[in-house]
Amino acid sequence: QVQLVQSGAEVKKPGASVRVSCKVSGFSLSDLAIHWVRQPPGKGLEWMGSFDLEDDETIYSQKFQGRVTLTADTFTDTAYMELSSLRSDDTAVYYCLTETLLYWGQGTLVTVPS
Amino acid sequence: SFVLTQPPSVSVAPGKTATIACGGNNIGTKSVHWFQQKPGQAPVVVIYFDSDRPSGIPERFSGSKSGDTATLSISRVEAGDEADYYCQVWDQTNDHPFGGGTRLTVL
Repeated sequence: QVQLVQSGAEVKKPGASVRVSCKVSGFSLSDLAIHWVRQPPGKGLEWMGSFDLEDDETIYSQKFQGRVTLTADTFTDTAYMELSSLRSDDTAVYYCLTETLLYWGQGTLVTVPS
Repeated sequence: SFVLTQPPSVSVAPGKTATIACGGNNIGTKSVHWFQQKPGQAPVVVIYFDSDRPSGIPERFSGSKSGDTATLSISRVEAGDEADYYCQVWDQTNDHPFGGGTRLTVL
């Protein structure tokens, strides 16, 4: 069955970068685009971008343009989200999900202490 | 960027119908998705592409659009429907914003 398994929680210093992984099974990254969404504690959902290997297309939200990079490793069927120049307001749970919207990873908490 | 507006909260008695609005300029021209999120859990899509219901989602959940507003309706509301609900659009400008979310309280 389809599963998305994300990497574990991270604590990063301000100014650093973080890379969150999302290993998929039950399908290939060549078949479905992966979206990334984040949710700060107690707040709403924010769409960050999407990575479509089949169409060779990467789209970033204007809010994160220049700070976020989405990539994928087809050999391991793992998608990655890297966020740079971290600030305290980047503290959030980060999710990967399929373009069908049906399948989500379990979420990865990234904490950036102020 | 495209902005979606939702009421912060909606309250409804069990057995009644809850309606949650999602407003946005020309939302009728965009694909709208609705997500349910319960505390400590990842969101779950309950309506996608305006009015389609994924397998496993009760028929009590329905979606519609008119003018600048999309609406999620939940009929015969149950205690288990209490959650946060978010709308999202897929915009032709390639931004896919979420609304601010609506807390549904079952009285």
